[in-house]
Amino acid sequence: DQQVKQNSPSLSVQEGRISILNCDYTNSMFDYFLWYKKYPAEGPTFLISISSIKDKNEDGRFTVFLNKSAKHLSLHIVPSQPGDSAVYFCAARTGGGGADGLTFGKGTHLIIQP
Amino acid sequence: NAGVMQNPRHLVRRRGQEARLRCSPMKGHSHVYWYRQLPEEGLKFMVYLQKENIIDESGMPKERFSAEFPKEGPSILRIQQVVRGDSAAYFCASSPLPDFWNTEAFFGQGTRLTVV
Repeated sequence: DQQVKQNSPSLSVQEGRISILNCDYTNSMFDYFLWYKKYPAEGPTFLISISSIKDKNEDGRFTVFLNKSAKHLSLHIVPSQPGDSAVYFCAARTGGGGADGLTFGKGTHLIIQP
Repeated sequence: NAGVMQNPRHLVRRRGQEARLRCSPMKGHSHVYWYRQLPEEGLKFMVYLQKENIIDESGMPKERFSAEFPKEGPSILRIQQVVRGDSAAYFCASSPLPDFWNTEAFFGQGTRLTVV
């Protein structure tokens, strides 16, 4: 049972336009959400995160939106740049001080076209 | 400041052999997590360790898999009697605080295990 779902395996966006990556979750105990970016043959690198008490967090070209009632979050990248081409993983963590690791989605491969 | 170091980067084992994957966390980090990524899948949590302690191994297969993080030296993920289904990329992450409270948990480059 997948608790974190990224339903688009790939997404192609024109350079300069907005990239929107989506993520849905089913576990209402998740209280912290993160996006990781991964290049081939490298480990994931942290991109941006959001706590469940917020609905938006912005960092430069990256904005994450959280809709708790819909159990949905999205990552917006604007403007998209060629170096943004990578696989993006949505991840979530449960609260309560538990020792659980992160639960990851399967990833979305973002391709920025020149 | 070196990042999380994993070695080897690539490991080929025959069925039935043992695989040992090493992870040296970033300097000052005492919390280590292991994840496995099967082909076409996301990363799946396996085990969370602190120095000399296994905190949470709920994601570890019950048999053949073990992990340790000794007082000195790297964390080791050991897979005994490997099978083809163990072929995957294994990632280690470290953080200075537990449970990724520090949002910038750092991942290593991974070890790609191929069982032939």
